Amino acid sequence: QSVLTQPPSVSGAPGQRVTMSCTGTGSNIGAGYDVHWYQQFPGTAPKLLIYANNNRPSGVPDRFSGSKSATSASLAITGVQAEDEADYYCQSYDSSLSGSVFGGGTKLTVL
Amino acid sequence: QLQLQESGPGLVKASETLSLTCTVSGGSITSSTYYWGWIRQPPGKGLQWIGTIYYSGSTYYTPSLKSRVTISVDTSKNQFSLKLSSVTAADTAIYYCARGVPAVAPYTHFDYWGQGALVTVSS
Repeated sequence: QSVLTQPPSVSGAPGQRVTMSCTGTGSNIGAGYDVHWYQQFPGTAPKLLIYANNNRPSGVPDRFSGSKSATSASLAITGVQAEDEADYYCQSYDSSLSGSVFGGGTKLTVL
Repeated sequence: QLQLQESGPGLVKASETLSLTCTVSGGSITSSTYYWGWIRQPPGKGLQWIGTIYYSGSTYYTPSLKSRVTISVDTSKNQFSLKLSSVTAADTAIYYCARGVPAVAPYTHFDYWGQGALVTVSS
C-alpha cells in the first residue's frame, strides 16, 4: 500500500479536461509538504511534470497544471491529447517516515 | 545536459547483495544544490523511494529497507552507489538513480533520472 493514494485509472476524450487526485494524511500533504508529479510512458523512466505543487519545468506544456489543498493534491490536463496517455505519479515528503513517498500511480487512458 | 547511467549485474541470487552504481555526467556530484537518490519500481507496480545521499556522505533511507541498504558516494569518479543486502524475489525491480533538488529533504523532487536497470533476484 502506498502512503499517498491515487485512483488506479482515469480516462477522457481528446480535448477534454482530465483531473487526477493524490490523497495523503497529516504527516505528508496535510503537513504542508510540497507535492510533485511525474509522467511515465511504458518502458521509460519517469519524467518530472510538476514540482512544488504547481510549477512546470521548462518544456512541459501549459495544459498540465497542479494544485494542492488540505490533505490532497490534483493534477489537471486541460485539453488532453492522445500523447498524454501514460502513468502519473505524485510524490511528497512524509515526516513520520522521514523521507520521500510516492503514490501508487494513475493510468490515464485517452479514449 | 546532465545524464545519469545505472550499471551493475542484472541477476542476483537470493540472500546475496545487490550492487548498482550511478555515473553522473554533464554535471558535478559535489554541487551543494542537489541530493542523489535511488528509486525502484517492481514490474508492473509503482515507484518506491529507497534513499538519498548528499555529496558529503549524509544519507537518508526509507524505513522499510533501512536495515539492508547502503548508499555511498565517490566524488572522484562522480558516482554514487546502492547496496541492498539479503535480497529476495520481492526486490526484483527496475532501479533508477535520480538527481534530487533542492537538497532540503522536505522539498526534494527528482528532476533528472537514469534510464533504469532491471535487477532480477533468482532463487
